[in-house]
Amino acid sequence: QKEVEQDPGPLSVPEGAIVSLNCTYSNSAFQYFMWYRQYSRKGPELLMYTYSSGNKEDGRFTAQVDKSSKYISLFIRDSQPSDSATYLCAMRYNFNKFYFGSGTKLNVKP
Amino acid sequence: GAVVSQHPSRVICKSGTSVKIECRSLDFQATTMFWYRQFPKQSLMLMATSNEGSKATYEQGVEKDKFLINHASLTLSTLTVTSAHPEDSSFYICSAKSSGATDTQYFGPGTRLTVL
Repeated sequence: QKEVEQDPGPLSVPEGAIVSLNCTYSNSAFQYFMWYRQYSRKGPELLMYTYSSGNKEDGRFTAQVDKSSKYISLFIRDSQPSDSATYLCAMRYNFNKFYFGSGTKLNVKP
Repeated sequence: GAVVSQHPSRVICKSGTSVKIECRSLDFQATTMFWYRQFPKQSLMLMATSNEGSKATYEQGVEKDKFLINHASLTLSTLTVTSAHPEDSSFYICSAKSSGATDTQYFGPGTRLTVL
């Protein structure tokens, strides 16, 4: 079993839709949770960084962590074509050991 | 947010040559840098983790004599692909992290290596 599971998609939605991206994990020791956005042929860009359970909001993005279910989500409101990218979840417990999901490819259609 | 640069962004070389890729943290001190490789439509594959001033820790299956990593300062790490072959063609991405316990890693823009 992988440490972090993420549906690869692709996920295709119309412009303006609410997007929900999810990851599940198996290690209850994970404490720090991240979402990265990666455009084609570019390096990943940090979108959200949360510690422990709860919600964090930044503009159109909301990150949610449910440690009891070992489940994290990224919600994108009012999705735009420019949001079309691959979204990677990541998490860690150890100082330098990060675990990445395989990435979900999102396509927002105009 | 923190900025990490990579140079070059793209390199084409002949088989058998060595290629050096630089990774710099521009506005913070990176005590740890990571090197990843990414194949088309696939996720990141961690190659090695390096801490400033010490030897890199390579992931299983990564040849340390082929992929030389140097992290000589708190703002610079280099990856040298020695005697490159066509199968080394890939997208190489570095990331950097400072020493804070809550800090995360910030990625560079990547380097596309093509070995002819």
